[in-house]
Amino acid sequence: DAKTTQPTSMDCAEGRAANLPCNHSTISGNEYVYWYRQIHSQGPQYIIHGLKNNETNEMASLIITEDRKSSTLILPHATLRDTAVYYCIVRPYPISGGYQKVTFGTGTKLQVIP
Amino acid sequence: ETGVTQSPTHLIKTRGQQVTLRCSSQSGHNTVSWYQQALGQGPQFIFQYYREEENGRGNFPPRFSGLQFPNYSSELNVNALELDDSALYLCASSSLGGTSGRRDEQFFGPGTRLTVL
Repeated sequence: DAKTTQPTSMDCAEGRAANLPCNHSTISGNEYVYWYRQIHSQGPQYIIHGLKNNETNEMASLIITEDRKSSTLILPHATLRDTAVYYCIVRPYPISGGYQKVTFGTGTKLQVIP
Repeated sequence: ETGVTQSPTHLIKTRGQQVTLRCSSQSGHNTVSWYQQALGQGPQFIFQYYREEENGRGNFPPRFSGLQFPNYSSELNVNALELDDSALYLCASSSLGGTSGRRDEQFFGPGTRLTVL
């Protein structure tokens, strides 16, 4: 799996957009960008994933640069409950019976401030 | 649908002992993966089971072993416990090869906190 680089920590004011960057300059053509988050003392939670197009769901938006070497996770209106460690991961899309390993780095600790 | 559950929540063992951790997959999921998360670190992949067979393994010694049962629940066994095995152990389930459109997601359980003294 390609290596990712994320800032160690970030702060965001409650109600503002939180923009979490991720660099993945060695990403290969068949690798997707996934984002998970881990709230203190809980298991990681899937947020969103994408290949090359921007993606949006009920939780967040994912913006992937045209060269796919970096991406940004956007939480449009951060709340205190969004305080967590956010992990950016790149890996091939899982196939039937295929290897599902997810390689986590140390992530970005997002602190949402009242 | 029911989520991923793990037991026990917390466990204390002494060095050299053996431990078994349990995981119940989310309903309809046929694949389970186990991760070890040391304090302040991201989760590290241990291994994955699909249709009761191990089909992927991370950089962990053979004293880490597992089982997957016909109902897709799973166990993680660790023999000859060492102090460095103290960590949060996470189980994640997914639906490889299934008809669900969400097969790209892994659903994680809350974890078992293991302390080795």
